[in-house]
Amino acid sequence: TQLLEQSPQFLSIQEGENLTVYCNSSSVFSSLQWYRQEPGEGPVLLVTVVTGGEVKKLKRLTFQFGDARKDSSLHITAAQPGDTGLYLCAGITSGTYKYIFGTGTRLKVLA
Amino acid sequence: NAGVTQTPKFQVLKTGQSMTLQCAQDMNHEYMSWYRQDPGMGLRLIHYSVGAGITDQGEVPNGYNVSRSTTEDFPLRLLSAAPSQTSVYFCASSYSRFAGGAYEQYFGPGTRLTVT
Repeated sequence: TQLLEQSPQFLSIQEGENLTVYCNSSSVFSSLQWYRQEPGEGPVLLVTVVTGGEVKKLKRLTFQFGDARKDSSLHITAAQPGDTGLYLCAGITSGTYKYIFGTGTRLKVLA
Repeated sequence: NAGVTQTPKFQVLKTGQSMTLQCAQDMNHEYMSWYRQDPGMGLRLIHYSVGAGITDQGEVPNGYNVSRSTTEDFPLRLLSAAPSQTSVYFCASSYSRFAGGAYEQYFGPGTRLTVT
């Protein structure tokens, strides 16, 4: 069974601080995605990474796909209260239609 | 476009009852999926469909049925509800695949189901 472990599970930081969330697996994925989910809503896609070693930036968010395609990280610079939410990674294996989701990281940014 | 819509938003069932969770999308997407979300477990795939008339099982299919008679609709049926099926259910749709086999999923707002 493929598993994606996220760490930390919970994170509470002050506005302006930096943070990194990790997504790890023993399986190799052909691509990996990051989503943000707010209370009472469905997840919203932030980014898709498809190449080992790939780095993508979305304003203050930086996403990296590991060289071996088994892990990924999300780094937020100068966090803001609007970044508060549940962050989920999801991986897919080539030739399948099934996404495996990580366990989630709940982030709270205090003003 | 309304995107992905789900009904009902909340539902309480007694053990043994059956019901259908509705999901519809107006984006002409090929792929549709059902997930359940439980605390500390992320989202788990129940069933998915790659087009009208084609469905397949996900990670946790037991106790659920699906059908896809049209591109727009993908209902999820609970045959005999159990307390273990208490969860938040999300429907998602997607229109294409790109490099690495990835496809962009659009999620509905969810149905919160409680089975007593």
